[in-house]
Amino acid sequence: NAGVTQTPKFRILKIGQSMTLQCTQDMNHNYMYWYRQDPGMGLKLIYYSVGAGITDKGEVPNGYNVSRSTTEDFPLRLELAAPSQTSVYFCASSYSTGGIYNEQFFGPGTRLTVL
Amino acid sequence: SQKIEQNSEALNIQEGKTATLTCNYTNYSPAYLQWYRQDPGRGPVFLLLIRENEKEKRKERLKVTFDTTLKQSLFHITASQPADSATYLCALSGGSYIPTFGRGTSLIVHP
Repeated sequence: NAGVTQTPKFRILKIGQSMTLQCTQDMNHNYMYWYRQDPGMGLKLIYYSVGAGITDKGEVPNGYNVSRSTTEDFPLRLELAAPSQTSVYFCASSYSTGGIYNEQFFGPGTRLTVL
Repeated sequence: SQKIEQNSEALNIQEGKTATLTCNYTNYSPAYLQWYRQDPGRGPVFLLLIRENEKEKRKERLKVTFDTTLKQSLFHITASQPADSATYLCALSGGSYIPTFGRGTSLIVHP
């Protein structure tokens, strides 16, 4: 299993540009998450999904959009990039259901700089 | 509002000693508490999960305690090694399976 994969690893955007961060998991997990991590800070939840076709906002959703058309893929869309979106973005997945909670598996991250 | 506190100062210890990291929380009644390890430039890696009705969990050199009265978890690494140097994150979840992460504490183990 590849686990959780993210592309690209690095990206520099100009203010106002848009891009999509890709995330794929091959573990058949129902939950998927997008976090951002700023230097010295913890992980802040942007969006999450409990299954294909179902997404919900996290703590910091403004400026981002997501979709989940398949179990495996959970892309994060940045529209009109701003310097405040400079961060490291992590995708994660987990399998949790019926009172059974399991740990999250994280991807390697995408380091995004907006200039 | 919910708050998770981890010591922002790095913990420096000598090799072979026991490292103890703290995670305190307020305005929260978590059903689960997890600890993750994060190395520079990498995503977090799961270490241990403990449920609200469990007091202690162990895995090899790792031990986690969970005191819902004190609203605190302690994470211990016994016989620490330089390879244990990393940032350790605690994460709390309620019944929604959506965890909230602390900022993490950096551990530095000196040879």
